[in-house]
Amino acid sequence: IAGITQAPTSQILAAGRRMTLRCTQDMRHNAMYWYRQDLGLGLRLIHYSNTAGTTGKGEVPDGYSVSRANTDDFPLTLASAVPSQTSVYFCASSDSSLAAGELFFGEGSRLTVL
Amino acid sequence: GQNIDQPTEMTATEGAIVQINCTYQTSGFNGLFWYQQHAGEAPTFLSYNVLDGLEEKGRFSSFLSRSKGYSYLLLKELQMKDSASYLCAVADSNYQLIWGAGTKLIIKP
Repeated sequence: IAGITQAPTSQILAAGRRMTLRCTQDMRHNAMYWYRQDLGLGLRLIHYSNTAGTTGKGEVPDGYSVSRANTDDFPLTLASAVPSQTSVYFCASSDSSLAAGELFFGEGSRLTVL
Repeated sequence: GQNIDQPTEMTATEGAIVQINCTYQTSGFNGLFWYQQHAGEAPTFLSYNVLDGLEEKGRFSSFLSRSKGYSYLLLKELQMKDSASYLCAVADSNYQLIWGAGTKLIIKP
């Protein structure tokens, strides 16, 4: 059982470059999320999707975009990377969209922007 | 604003008991979660409280007092593998999770 798969696991990127972090789940969950985790801070929500075809902005959406063409995939794109986007990015999913439910996380993508 | 507070770091001895506190101020409340995160790994779900009281699950228990905006995670019979960060998160009125920065728990032999 794969659960949630993220790619790449780690990436070093030059500032100004475009980057897409991939996220795929095989649990048929409706809701999916992208978080960033920085030292000393709690997980911060970037974007979310309650169901295929819909997306919403989280706490820190600037500089990021997402799409949800189907249930399984939820890619996160950095259009023009900046050093402040250096972080660990976690994709998560839940089988509850409106109700508070347990989140299942991917293993994370460590991104360094130079 | 919305805020979740928990201690940055705690140290405990193998075999002992430790209590990790979490206080919160959020716009509405739809439940409180505890997650465990080992270094370099993804967070994994431990517990969910929506009503006041104690929820017990093996060596781990979680307590909630909504009137006090307070929760704790109690870990009994500590094992070395319990060394990890413990994240407290609250679902607000929009069911969005607000996360604390996490408590790093160090277990010593």
